Amino acid sequence: GENVGLHLPTLSVQEGDNSIINCAYSNSASDYFIWYKQESGKGPQFIIDIRSNMDKRQGQRVTVLLNKTVKHLSLQIAATQPGDSAVYFCAENAGRRALTFGSGTRLQVQP
Amino acid sequence: EAGVAQSPRYKIIEKRQSVAFWCNPISGHATLYWYQQILGQGPKLLIQFQNNGVVDDSQLPKDRFSAERLKGVDSTLKIQPAKLEDSAVYLCASSYRQGGSYEQYFGPGTRLTVT
Repeated sequence: GENVGLHLPTLSVQEGDNSIINCAYSNSASDYFIWYKQESGKGPQFIIDIRSNMDKRQGQRVTVLLNKTVKHLSLQIAATQPGDSAVYFCAENAGRRALTFGSGTRLQVQP
Repeated sequence: EAGVAQSPRYKIIEKRQSVAFWCNPISGHATLYWYQQILGQGPKLLIQFQNNGVVDDSQLPKDRFSAERLKGVDSTLKIQPAKLEDSAVYLCASSYRQGGSYEQYFGPGTRLTVT
């Protein structure tokens, strides 16, 4: 077989602008969601999480919005910095199982 | 607090050869996960341990992949024999308790190239 890696969707923003990364999840039974940041050559790093009984949660410069009606999750990054450049994954969990990851979005911050 | 340790960081082997990866989770974390991340995709769970017992190995290709966590701490993942499509980054993660609602901490991964 061959490695058929997908071409990641890319979001390019100017330094200082706000970024919005979107994710559609598949399992209506999912009750916990996490956003991870992955820099080149590193493992995923936790950014922020949200439970299904909430529709918004804020952290430092980041906000996650959850719309259970359309099974949509978004990550908002305020005042985007060059250090925010990475691949961002949403992940979902239903019950006690391990996480199911989405396919990722590459964020490129232009100085 | 030390993070999740993995070794080796890189490995290149020929198809049909064997390879093993090692993971040392964060101290005190009962749950350990192995994920496979193919280039351009999100991590996919291979196996989940709770202490030294297997919780979920439904996506582990058991004809060639095996994993163990004998003393409930370190874990090894083995591939024998390797195929070209096994080229990927193998990520180990740990969490304090079982279930996705407890934050998982990831190691840096082992990048495997099968030629």
